[in-house]
Amino acid sequence: DTGVSQNPRHKITKRGQNVTFRCDPISEHNRLYWYRQTLGQGPEFLTYFQNEAQLEKSRLLSDRFSAERPKGSFSTLEIQRTEQGDSAMYLCASRHGTGNYGYTFGSGTRLTVV
Amino acid sequence: DAKTTQPTSMDCAEGRAANLPCNHSTISGNEYVYWYRQIHSQGPQYIIHGLKNNETNEMASLIITEDRKSSTLILPHATLRDTAVYYCIVRVANTGTASKLTFGTGTRLQVTL
Repeated sequence: DTGVSQNPRHKITKRGQNVTFRCDPISEHNRLYWYRQTLGQGPEFLTYFQNEAQLEKSRLLSDRFSAERPKGSFSTLEIQRTEQGDSAMYLCASRHGTGNYGYTFGSGTRLTVV
Repeated sequence: DAKTTQPTSMDCAEGRAANLPCNHSTISGNEYVYWYRQIHSQGPQYIIHGLKNNETNEMASLIITEDRKSSTLILPHATLRDTAVYYCIVRVANTGTASKLTFGTGTRLQVTL
């Protein structure tokens, strides 16, 4: 297992377009998280899945954002009608559901909205 | 989850120990201290965590004061590859839905020759 995989690594899109990112977590991890990180700031929590259930969403996740984890494995994060303020690094993390194990993060998808 | 306070930046000479402090004066009895680091253009990497006892692993040591209001992450022999932003995070363990990490702005550690 090579860890948490995120695709694409980079995405440049025009304002108003829709974009979708994919995260493949570590296979035995049932918890999956999405974070957003802007320049000079720490990552900010967006949403969290336990298996296929989306259990928590941040206020940062506006109506234009939607995340899915249909079979409890990979997850997608879609942003509709992108705005320049959506430009950021989008990070995915996974972990075991029990115990105090650390989270394993992917390398992120860097989104630039022009 | 309790808030943490870290210095904005620190420098360390290669080969020397890097001691990164963190204040978490409002920590609760069931909150753990976690440390992550983020090397440029990568996702955060888990380093170590602890509740009240000092902890050591292959990457670092974590020293937590007796009153648990502060902690220090120690990289015993810093190398250039340890240059990164280091995040100290306090989090309640095994809280079910409330299991997210809340990051601050961290400490930017620069290791120099």
